[in-house]
Amino acid sequence: NAGVMQNPRHLVRRRGQEARLRCSPMKGHSHVYWYRQLPEEGLKFMVYLQKENIIDESGMPKERFSAEFPKEGPSILRIQQVVRGDSAAYFCASSPGTGGVNEQFFGPGTRLTVL
Amino acid sequence: DAKTTQPPSMDCAEGRAANLPCNHSTISGNEYVYWYRQIHSQGPQYIIHGLKNNETNEMASLIITEDRKSSTLILPHATLRDTAVYYCIVRVAFWDKIIFGKGTRLHILP
Repeated sequence: NAGVMQNPRHLVRRRGQEARLRCSPMKGHSHVYWYRQLPEEGLKFMVYLQKENIIDESGMPKERFSAEFPKEGPSILRIQQVVRGDSAAYFCASSPGTGGVNEQFFGPGTRLTVL
Repeated sequence: DAKTTQPPSMDCAEGRAANLPCNHSTISGNEYVYWYRQIHSQGPQYIIHGLKNNETNEMASLIITEDRKSSTLILPHATLRDTAVYYCIVRVAFWDKIIFGKGTRLHILP
C-alpha cells in the first residue's frame, strides 16, 4: 500500500530553466494538493486539484507556476523560468475525496534548488 | 492566516507525557481541530482530529475544551522520535486546504 510518491526528491535547476515536479497520489485518491515550504518558513498552500480540474489555486503565484492533474498519470507542478526565490521544498498531499480515511496524506517532498 | 495560536517551542523529558496547547478562540461551529506534525524536513504527518469530543488513537489524545476555544494534544509517552514541529489547524472538512501556522517545536530531552 504505497503512500504518496513524489519525484524527483531533489532537483537542481539554473535560473531561467523549467522545473517539473511530479506527484503520484495514494491508490484510490482523487484529490491532490501542493504546498511549498521556503527555507526557514512554514508550509504554504498552493493549489488543490481533482482529476482534470483545478478546484482552488488561491495560493499559486500569478506567473510562471502551473499545475495539472490529468485523467491518467501523476499530478505535475510546473515552474517556468525559475528564479533563486523558487528554491524550496514542495510537498504534495492526496486525499480520497469520499469514503476511506478522511485525511490528507503527504509525500516526502521535492527539494528544488535554483542556482 | 492561521486561526490558531501555539507556543513557539516546548521541552519534554523522554518517557513523560507531552502536552501541547492550542488556542482557537474564533473557531466556528462546523470547524474541526486537526493536528499534524513535521519531523525534520519530512512531509507533514496527520496525528488526530476532533470536533467537540475528546479523541484518542494509537499516536495521541486530543482534549477539546467544552467551549471549543482551545485544545491540548497529548503524546502519552514521548520518545526522541517525537521531536518535531506540531501544527494545530482548524478547518471545515478534510478536503479543505490546510492553513499552517508556525506550530510548536517540541524538543524531547533524553
